[in-house]
Amino acid sequence: DTEVTQTPKHLVMGMTNKKSLKCEQHMGHRAMYWYKQKAKKPPELMFVYSYEKLSINESVPSRFSPECPNSSLLNLHLHALQPEDSALYLCASSKATGGDTYSNQPQHFGDGTRLSIL
Amino acid sequence: AQSVAQPEDQVNVAEGNPLTVKCTYSVSGNPYLFWYVQYPNRGLQFLLKYITGDNLVKGSYGFEAEFNKSQTSFHLKKPSALVSDSALYFCAVRDEAAGNKLTFGGGTRVLVKP
Repeated sequence: DTEVTQTPKHLVMGMTNKKSLKCEQHMGHRAMYWYKQKAKKPPELMFVYSYEKLSINESVPSRFSPECPNSSLLNLHLHALQPEDSALYLCASSKATGGDTYSNQPQHFGDGTRLSIL
Repeated sequence: AQSVAQPEDQVNVAEGNPLTVKCTYSVSGNPYLFWYVQYPNRGLQFLLKYITGDNLVKGSYGFEAEFNKSQTSFHLKKPSALVSDSALYFCAVRDEAAGNKLTFGGGTRVLVKP
């Protein structure tokens, strides 16, 4: 069992729908991440939150909107997605050892949400 | 800029034989190196990391990796592979000088045959 929980596991949505992906961890980690992974490819970083503040946005289109309501939760709001956005969306968390310094901490991943855009 | 290369898309090995998955990296500062494994329909699982200290790092499930600064390599090894080790393996690097972004290699699929 993973310590990072993602819901839903699967999501099918139309291009005009609005939906949200949720991620939860109770390890006390203060850095949280969203990744996008296409089949047989490495994860691509989308967003990083450090102490509930957005610290990295990898030039992700505005149809993806992250939110970190508290230190345990991370959401990804989806709106007007395109077929090419179909992928596995992974959430991860790690310790943050003061400020933004967490380079040497391993990330703990959830099992992802498999998203299909019709 | 930091980068990671995994030169083999797939590695085939017989059960009981040694397993090696290759990784080379490029960073401008001191590297923080990681190995992750991904089983089908699962997220990535952390195996081991090198931050500083001994060049030979031991991790989960009997895996180890050797940091070689002169060859800029961090190969993953297991002395005796199991069928259950069949999975997708990712090497990753964080450059101490380049912030906190983790860069992954392209992944190596390991197939262990009975």
